[in-house]
Amino acid sequence: AQSVTQPDIHITVSEGASLELRCNYSYGATPYLFWYVQSPGQGLQLLLKYFSGDTLVQGIKGFEAEFKRSQSSFNLRKPSVHWSDAAEYFCAVGAGFSGGGADGLTFGKGTHLIIQP
Amino acid sequence: DTAVSQTPKYLVTQMGNDKSIKCEQNLGHDTMYWYKQDSKKFLKIMFSYNNKELIINETVPNRFSPKSPDKAHLNLHINSLELGDSAVYFCASSQYQGSTGELFFGEGSRLTVL
Repeated sequence: AQSVTQPDIHITVSEGASLELRCNYSYGATPYLFWYVQSPGQGLQLLLKYFSGDTLVQGIKGFEAEFKRSQSSFNLRKPSVHWSDAAEYFCAVGAGFSGGGADGLTFGKGTHLIIQP
Repeated sequence: DTAVSQTPKYLVTQMGNDKSIKCEQNLGHDTMYWYKQDSKKFLKIMFSYNNKELIINETVPNRFSPKSPDKAHLNLHINSLELGDSAVYFCASSQYQGSTGELFFGEGSRLTVL
């Protein structure tokens, strides 16, 4: 079964500084990888996803993530954070279309991003 | 137009009661899910439905029962509520069975059991 590890429970970044949130996954085949953001009191919104092809994927709100198979990682980056980026960020992995059985996404435990003025 | 909508958004009830949370999606998706988010923000899948067929039941107590009257709706009914059921419950949908595409989430239903 697949699993996701987000090593950082909390991260504090100054406004305007760069950001990197870490995600490591465990899955035997090529994974389907996702980053979601959850603002307080809200549902989850997809930031970006990786299925195949270019290992650097661009998402909404200026975020990008890089898939590194050798490190089993899918880290999220943003060159300059804004106060509105303060939220909970979740990395998720999917097993892909299995045809018969099915699996929903498996989520990491999230990283809480705090933006300092 | 809200893609995935859940009602109610907040629910406060006593132990032992029975309650339901409703979910509707207008995206024409084939698969719907219920996730539970605990106080530490951990998200865990509870159920998924594909074309009205239950696909997953991740060791959830049988006090929880999903009901899908049609492809666009997946309701969650909970019997004999316990303190540990307090959480935020998220409904989600995806276009395909499996996990090749993104999940579209509702805004969540915060359940508090007293």
